[in-house]
Amino acid sequence: DAKTTQPNSMESNEEEPVHLPCNHSTISGTDYIHWYRQLPSQGPEYVIHGLTSNVNNRMASLAIAEDRKSSTLILHRATLRDAAVYYCILRAGNTGKLIFGQGTTLQVKP
Amino acid sequence: GAVVSQHPSWVICKSGTSVKIECRSLDFQATTMFWYRQFPKQSLMLMATSNEGSKATYEQGVEKDKFLINHASLTLSTLTVTSAHPEDSSFYICSARGGPSTDTQYFGPGTRLTVL
Repeated sequence: DAKTTQPNSMESNEEEPVHLPCNHSTISGTDYIHWYRQLPSQGPEYVIHGLTSNVNNRMASLAIAEDRKSSTLILHRATLRDAAVYYCILRAGNTGKLIFGQGTTLQVKP
Repeated sequence: GAVVSQHPSWVICKSGTSVKIECRSLDFQATTMFWYRQFPKQSLMLMATSNEGSKATYEQGVEKDKFLINHASLTLSTLTVTSAHPEDSSFYICSARGGPSTDTQYFGPGTRLTVL
């Protein structure tokens, strides 16, 4: 399974945008880029996913580099409830397996 | 939509006993369910993948005789930790695929297992 690299932690101020980077230089052509987040003592929550094009939904935006070797999750206006561990995961084609890395712990300051 | 529940949310048991954890997809049929465990301050580790009506596929290093998985219906999968020991104490999380978006896995809230 292709691996992702994320910063261990990031800080943001409330109401400001947050850009969470993810490197995946060994991504293959059939790998989808998924983002999940996990609040303490809860199961992960789906955020967004994409293959090649940038994606937007009500929670966030996903910007994918042209060579697909990196991507950025964008939270447009961070709130205190966005404080969580954010996982960037490559899902191999149709297997459906999600292999979690260490993720980025996002702290949001009021 | 796409809600996954787990029962119990927490359990404490004595060493040597077996514990069953249920994972249910409440409003969709889950063709595939996954079981993970998470130790404190660590990431999720995939244990096994189960498809309804067939045997589970275990990840390398996961003992299939210790962690019994049954996916008897499209809405229910169970994980039984047999002869539990303190080192099995962990946060067990299931996920299900097959809801509104088959590309997405929907996770349960997790079950905290403590073995004394």
